[in-house]
Amino acid sequence: KQEVTQIPAALSVPEGENLVLNCSFTDSAIYNLQWFRQDPGKGLTSLLLIQSSQREQTSGRLNASLDKSSGRSTLYIAASQPGDSATYLCAVGSTNAGKSTFGDGTTLTVKP
Amino acid sequence: GAGVSQTPSNKVTEKGKYVELRCDPISGHTALYWYRQSLGQGPEFLIYFQGTGAADDSGLPNDRFFAVRPEGSVSTLKIQRTERGDSAVYLCASSVGRADTQYFGPGTRLTVL
Repeated sequence: KQEVTQIPAALSVPEGENLVLNCSFTDSAIYNLQWFRQDPGKGLTSLLLIQSSQREQTSGRLNASLDKSSGRSTLYIAASQPGDSATYLCAVGSTNAGKSTFGDGTTLTVKP
Repeated sequence: GAGVSQTPSNKVTEKGKYVELRCDPISGHTALYWYRQSLGQGPEFLIYFQGTGAADDSGLPNDRFFAVRPEGSVSTLKIQRTERGDSAVYLCASSVGRADTQYFGPGTRLTVL
């Protein structure tokens, strides 16, 4: 059974800082990995999707990496802004079925 | 273009009642997913449709939960004999295909009294 862990559960940083969010998974036989952000009381917004054959994806100030062999993904946020404050979730797609397994997220607060 | 929509946005029901939750995916998306999310936790997978068929229903917690997608577009999640433990936000997502980005709707908050 796939288990996804995100540490830390919460993170507070001053504006302008670069930061890394971590996602680890127990079964390396994955189909893809997706990073989302969720604002309070809202649905999920997709940030980046990495296929199992890829090592990283970039979008603006965001960079996500994937290391299947070690069961890890990181989301790098450059020059953080208060508008980046949200909960960040990673989801791991299974190779054998359509399900995605989510971590419980990291809640990020960027202080002005 | 229009995103994924879900109705109702809120549903309050009494224990033992039957409820239906609706999801309208993005037009042309063949893959559709249902999740539920409890406070402070990540979404929990329920079921995945590819077209009209349920390709993976391994996340449905018991036989009180059922979902359909008869024409390969709109999907309905049906919960019989609701229990207080069913209270959660039910999320729907769609994607072009299984390998593609999932786009989520705003969710339906279900409260069972």
